[in-house]
Amino acid sequence: GQQVMQIPQYQHVQEGEDFTTYCNSSTTLSNIQWYKQRPGGHPVFLIQLVKSGEVKKQKRLTFQFGEAKKNSSLHITATQTTDVGTYFCAGAAGTALIFGKGTTLSVSS
Amino acid sequence: KAGVTQTPRYLIKTRGQQVTLSCSPISGHRSVSWYQQTPGQGLQFLFEYFSETQRNKGNFPGRFSGRQFSNSRSEMNVSTLELGDSALYLCASSLTGRDNGNEKLFFGSGTQLSVL
Repeated sequence: GQQVMQIPQYQHVQEGEDFTTYCNSSTTLSNIQWYKQRPGGHPVFLIQLVKSGEVKKQKRLTFQFGEAKKNSSLHITATQTTDVGTYFCAGAAGTALIFGKGTTLSVSS
Repeated sequence: KAGVTQTPRYLIKTRGQQVTLSCSPISGHRSVSWYQQTPGQGLQFLFEYFSETQRNKGNFPGRFSGRQFSNSRSEMNVSTLELGDSALYLCASSLTGRDNGNEKLFFGSGTQLSVL
């Protein structure tokens, strides 16, 4: 079945450094979604990308969807302690949303 | 508008027992999905329901089952519990769960199941 892989699994940065997580699918995706889960919390929707090559920004977060619609990335500029958590990408497989294993970001001040 | 509600928040069971978890979606949402979350494994898809019908199922053994009621509330059941079933079980709802995945999911806070 469809697989969505994310790297790295863990990333530790100093506050102010940049952070990037990458997502790759074994199949072409109709769209990709990104979620953030704070420690002890539940996943919360961040954004959806639909078009090939699409780039969207949310303040310090930049999301990209690959030209072949099989990969995506999330880049955070100048991380802050509030960015701590696990970031998941997810791709649709029929009516199911298949999640990657996530990248857990820790930030030290 | 109330969010997705899952009960109970915590459960402790012993091996061999069975357990039922409950999920009330956001009012008006008709699609409910269930996920198992364990450290290092991320969110693994269990099943998805819409209008009381299971439309999609993940790669879990038959001990895991679910159902949806006419008011869109959903339950999942795990029979003959094993130690490896210890996990956070998350329920998520969306309006219709269209098959292009073009709807965002709203997650509940989950049920933390511990099997001893």
